[in-house]
Amino acid sequence: GENVEQHPSTLSVQEGDSAVIKCTYSDSASNYFPWYKQELGKRPQLIIDIRSNVGEKKDQRIAVTLNKTAKHFSLHITETQPEDSAVYFCAAFHNTGNQFYFGTGTSLTVIP
Amino acid sequence: DVKVTQSSRYLVKRTGEKVFLECVQDMDHENMFWYRQDPGLGLRLIYFSYDVKMKEKGDIPEGYSVSREKKERFSLILESASTNQTSMYLCASSLGAAYNSPLHFGNGTRLTVT
Repeated sequence: GENVEQHPSTLSVQEGDSAVIKCTYSDSASNYFPWYKQELGKRPQLIIDIRSNVGEKKDQRIAVTLNKTAKHFSLHITETQPEDSAVYFCAAFHNTGNQFYFGTGTSLTVIP
Repeated sequence: DVKVTQSSRYLVKRTGEKVFLECVQDMDHENMFWYRQDPGLGLRLIYFSYDVKMKEKGDIPEGYSVSREKKERFSLILESASTNQTSMYLCASSLGAAYNSPLHFGNGTRLTVT
């Protein structure tokens, strides 16, 4: 099956700085890569996603890059704000298995 | 907006009890999933279903079963609850494999087994 690794597990940045979270996957059959943000006590919510035929996608302060050859994808948050503090999960959708595989999460703290 | 509703936010059960966790989605999604979330372990898939009456084991199905009698409802059953099943349980749904669509999560059920 698929194996998704996520790093770092914790990340602290100063407000206004950038944050980068990296994930790798093992199976080239994975073709869709969503990122979720989970605030304390709340459900995970989709913040951005990318499909395997695209190398980069941006939505305001959030961007995701995908390198299919190296099998890794990254989340970039620019101009971080305290409300960006949360746990972020990457995921890979395995088309053959019809299921999502998640990374273990990154706890991001933005220090005011 | 997709709505995934889990019947209970908090549950406290005793060891050996049979426990039912219910999940309903309102967007006619084909796929439904049950995950458990534990600190440091992320989200682990218990079972999923891609159609009515169909089910597939995920990574940690032991001690659990599921039921999907109607497209909108997916139930997780703990046949005989044990303390190591104390966890946060998240239900999710998605359109289906052909659509490469994201998961939509419910609010979660925090289950404590004493």
